[in-house]
Amino acid sequence: AQSVTQLGSHVSVSEGALVLLRCNYSSSVPPYLFWYVQYPNQGLQLLLKYTTGATLVKGINGFEAEFKKSETSFHLTKPSAHMSDAAEYFCAVSLVSGNTPLVFGKGTRLSVIA
Amino acid sequence: NAGVTQTPKFQVLKTGQSMTLQCAQDMNHNSMYWYRQDPGMGLRLIYYSASEGTTDKGEVPNGYNVSRLNKREFSLRLESAAPSQTSVYFCASSEGTAGGPLSPLHFGNGTRLTVT
Repeated sequence: AQSVTQLGSHVSVSEGALVLLRCNYSSSVPPYLFWYVQYPNQGLQLLLKYTTGATLVKGINGFEAEFKKSETSFHLTKPSAHMSDAAEYFCAVSLVSGNTPLVFGKGTRLSVIA
Repeated sequence: NAGVTQTPKFQVLKTGQSMTLQCAQDMNHNSMYWYRQDPGMGLRLIYYSASEGTTDKGEVPNGYNVSRLNKREFSLRLESAAPSQTSVYFCASSEGTAGGPLSPLHFGNGTRLTVT
């Protein structure tokens, strides 16, 4: 069965600093990988996804993630944090067969300090 | 577009009471899901419906029942609420089965349930 591990339940960065949120997955077959973002009192929104092809995926709001099969990782980055990036971020995995629901990680809360 | 609408937004129940959480989507999506979100636990799947007329258990189905009333609506019922069911409940929908490249999940804004 597939699973996702997010390292760090809380990450704090200064405004303008690099954002790095870590995600490692476990899957016996090639996975689809996703990052979702949740702003306070809202549901989750899709940030970006990796399916096939280019391993560097660009998403909304300047975020990007790189699929590294050798490291079973899909870390989320943004070169320069903005106050509006403060939110909770979830990594999720599903199998390429596509017949199973997403499995979410436990989430990482990002705080941005002025 | 409204997207995914959940009602109610907040609810307080006493132990043993029952209630139904309602969810409706207006995107003509095939699949619908119920998740619960608890601090430090992420999102855990309760039940899902891959198409109208079908439902399947997720990771944490005990204490819940669901009904896929039609393509638009998917309800979650707590027959006898327990304090362990205090949580934020999210309904989601997708065009296909979640995980496919054409099927991102669309979430409602959640129902915050407290069981005392």
